[in-house]
Amino acid sequence: EIVLTQSPGTLSLSPGERATLSCRASQSVTSRYLAWFQQKPGQAPRLLIYGTSNRATGIADRFSGSGSGTDFTLTISRLEPEDFAMYYCQQYGSSPRTFGQGTKVEIK
Amino acid sequence: EVQLLESGGGLVQPGGSLTLTCAASGFTFNHYAVSWVRQAPGKGLEWVSAISGSGGSTYYADSVKGRFTISRDNSKNTVYLQMNSLRADDTAVFYCAKDSSVGFRLNYCDYWGQGTLVTVSS
Repeated sequence: EIVLTQSPGTLSLSPGERATLSCRASQSVTSRYLAWFQQKPGQAPRLLIYGTSNRATGIADRFSGSGSGTDFTLTISRLEPEDFAMYYCQQYGSSPRTFGQGTKVEIK
Repeated sequence: EVQLLESGGGLVQPGGSLTLTCAASGFTFNHYAVSWVRQAPGKGLEWVSAISGSGGSTYYADSVKGRFTISRDNSKNTVYLQMNSLRADDTAVFYCAKDSSVGFRLNYCDYWGQGTLVTVSS
């Protein structure tokens, strides 16, 4: 199975700053089948990005995804107060689908 | 509006059984696969099982294979997860999620329910 490693574990930033989250795969992710999810405490995950760089319905354009092969990035261009949360990457090109361990974006 | 509502969670003893239910609305149910994803307390997400739109194909994580059974009733817009031989490490919030297409492969979960907590303890 493909192991996804996210870094950093915690990102401490201020509102208005740029956030860059990394997701590295143990082997190449088929055809860029990688998604990003946001999860706030006590809530279900919410789809942000699919296919590496496609924003899901209703997702603000300050969220963007990029990458290929084994290295992928989620960028939040200017952090809003509601963006402080946990973020998970997931590959769905190979079975089983696997998630990274998550990156927490916290207020500095 | 897509809605998924899980139920059936609760406290069960090790070795026991439980059936989770996911009631869906707001989309053409049999056109989409449905997945179950769990999250142990304070931990990350783990995909558990999935079923195709027709119900003809099912998929399981190795950690639950042989113990869990997924099924669906398209006449009731409902998916079930029958869980047997439960262990302490099955303790988690179980989320039901709609997949992005009728098949499971190469698809992602685009809408999620709020989850139901399963606690396995004596």
